[in-house]
Amino acid sequence: EVQLVESGGDLVQPGGSLRLSCVASGFTFRSHWMTWVRQAPGKGLEWVANLRSDGGEENFADSVRGRFTISRDNSKNSLYLQMYSLRVEDTAVYYCAREAFFGRGAFDLWGQGTMVIVSS
Amino acid sequence: QSALTQPASVSGSPGQSITISCTGTSSDVGGYDHVLWYQQHPGKAPKLIIFEVDNRPSGISTRFSGSKSGNTASLTISGLQAEDEASYYCCSYSDRVSAWVFGRGTDLTV
Repeated sequence: EVQLVESGGDLVQPGGSLRLSCVASGFTFRSHWMTWVRQAPGKGLEWVANLRSDGGEENFADSVRGRFTISRDNSKNSLYLQMYSLRVEDTAVYYCAREAFFGRGAFDLWGQGTMVIVSS
Repeated sequence: QSALTQPASVSGSPGQSITISCTGTSSDVGGYDHVLWYQQHPGKAPKLIIFEVDNRPSGISTRFSGSKSGNTASLTISGLQAEDEASYYCCSYSDRVSAWVFGRGTDLTV
């Protein structure tokens, strides 16, 4: 089955760290750019970061640059988001998504999301 | 990042057509054909319905169509059905922030 499964979401205190994982199956993971998108409770979508298929290029939203890192292990079909210096405003459902070959920004496969709550 | 501007809500009756606008600037919507639309039902992950302004991925109904004029993109849904009731988000690349930016979302009530 073609799918993405995120994990790692948790309740963490402000200033803390957390690592999210996304495991892919059913497609050639190593060929695709991958992206993280988040959604705060009751709010809209916010693009967080993306990573080229070979891991050689990464991009971040201004809101997380310098605090989050993105990485992948193509041998394990896995994408990661390491989050440091977490803030209350980082509270959100975090989705990983696959970028399709047919269009830039065309996130055609999404995981179910993992919830991160930053609170004291 | 500044979000693209969408109406907060729109409504229509079954069988009617509605259009959702998405206004940006020449640094995003107006400057690129990388304009996309996503549909999201409550509690579900988003779903891609339009890419590169006016293209539908395989499996997406022809009732969904996209267009762009200047700095404003539009999503039109024709022949509204109850299942279309959802939130819709536009998305574009922005060279001002070198990132993908989403609209704040539009809630469609059918």
